[in-house]
Amino acid sequence: NAGVMQNPRHLVRRRGQEARLRCSPMKGHSHVYWYRQLPEEGLKFMVYLQKENIIDESGMPKERFSAEFPKEGPSILRIQQVVRGDSAAYFCASSRRQGAEQPQHFGDGTRLSIL
Amino acid sequence: QQQVKQSPQSLIVQKGGISIINCAYENTAFDYFPWYQQFPGKGPALLIAIRPDVSEKKEGRFTISFNKSAKQFSLHIMDSQPGDSATYFCAASMDHKGGKLIFGQGTELSVKP
Repeated sequence: NAGVMQNPRHLVRRRGQEARLRCSPMKGHSHVYWYRQLPEEGLKFMVYLQKENIIDESGMPKERFSAEFPKEGPSILRIQQVVRGDSAAYFCASSRRQGAEQPQHFGDGTRLSIL
Repeated sequence: QQQVKQSPQSLIVQKGGISIINCAYENTAFDYFPWYQQFPGKGPALLIAIRPDVSEKKEGRFTISFNKSAKQFSLHIMDSQPGDSATYFCAASMDHKGGKLIFGQGTELSVKP
């Protein structure tokens, strides 16, 4: 009955480095959503993936950000050449099926700090 | 059109009192409205949710009131307890958009003993 697992919980990177955030959905869940929470702000949708497919990436910045959800293994959110403005908490959520009424279960997030 | 506006930003309530958080939306295509509770250092957890064809939904001490014509909905926490102190987010989603959540800005609730 493990919930959504995100790692690492905290990640520190220097400007220009790459950040790789991992999300293992709940067992039986094949839909993954990534959200970003900036300090003192609400959560902003970034991307929605189903196994091996990106369904909706309308919230992803056009450059430096990418996401994948391979057939085997966790979903990965990758940020290349990080900048100070990327400092935020990144949350992953998973659901069993697609649809508004399908509950999204959130992980405890990865706190990314850029030096 | 994609925004959900939430107020107040922060709220202090005495133990036993009623906490009320309000949200408003513009896009009438939204068809599902959940509320999430978030404790410091944790991810949001689904609290209660409502569809726009229902005017009220109650689960324990938590009630959602929904006014479709005004495009507003609110969360009421009855008999508020110190353990309810957390940040609350309203959200909205559309079935045909895969269920991605559009969140309000959040309300930090503090319940004083």
